Amino acid sequence: DTAVSQTPKYLVTQMGNDKSIKCEQNLGHDTMYWYKQDSKKFLKIMFSYNNKELIINETVPNRFSPKSPDKAHLNLHINSLELGDSAVYFCASSPPGGINGYTFGSGTRLTVV
Amino acid sequence: GDSVTQMEGPVTLSEEAFLTINCTYTATGYPSLFWYVQYPGEGLQLLLKATKADDKGSNKGFEATYRKETTSFHLEKGSVQVSDSAVYFCALSGEVYGNKLVFGAGTILRVKS
Repeated sequence: DTAVSQTPKYLVTQMGNDKSIKCEQNLGHDTMYWYKQDSKKFLKIMFSYNNKELIINETVPNRFSPKSPDKAHLNLHINSLELGDSAVYFCASSPPGGINGYTFGSGTRLTVV
Repeated sequence: GDSVTQMEGPVTLSEEAFLTINCTYTATGYPSLFWYVQYPGEGLQLLLKATKADDKGSNKGFEATYRKETTSFHLEKGSVQVSDSAVYFCALSGEVYGNKLVFGAGTILRVKS
């Protein structure tokens, strides 16, 4: 079974639309994350939740809103999509402390046209 | 804040050549250090890790040693294969701020047969 699963894998949408990306982990981890990977492969953290509570909120436009209904799920909703939002978005999870690293999902490639 | 610097790529090698990808870091306290690998079209996979000074992480023929005196965590492999072609990311997980994983910019490795 996939440990961290994201849907959809590909998302093509027009500017101005609202879209959501879903993430689920079955590892029993307490902490989940969203990362954005740009066209140059650079990875930057966006959000982190620990047991449904927001603990990291980097400088991200407020058009991006994460939601964690339980500790196994962390969804990302994006309003009023812009061309610059085109990227690959990765969900990840980790046990407390993070010293053993994260487990990443396979990514969602978002293309805004 | 915490940061990771790794050598720019792409690095192009012939099969069976020796690989070194340099990584240095800046962090408060004693971070854990990681190497992740991203194969084309896939998510990130943890390759190896080290949690304290002088630890050596190893996996699949890759090695890296946590050098606190030089704040480095260079990745090495004695004999690369075509299947090692991927993007390699050095990362650290600090002691503060939710243990977020901070990534280097990634190094593209291309191995020719």
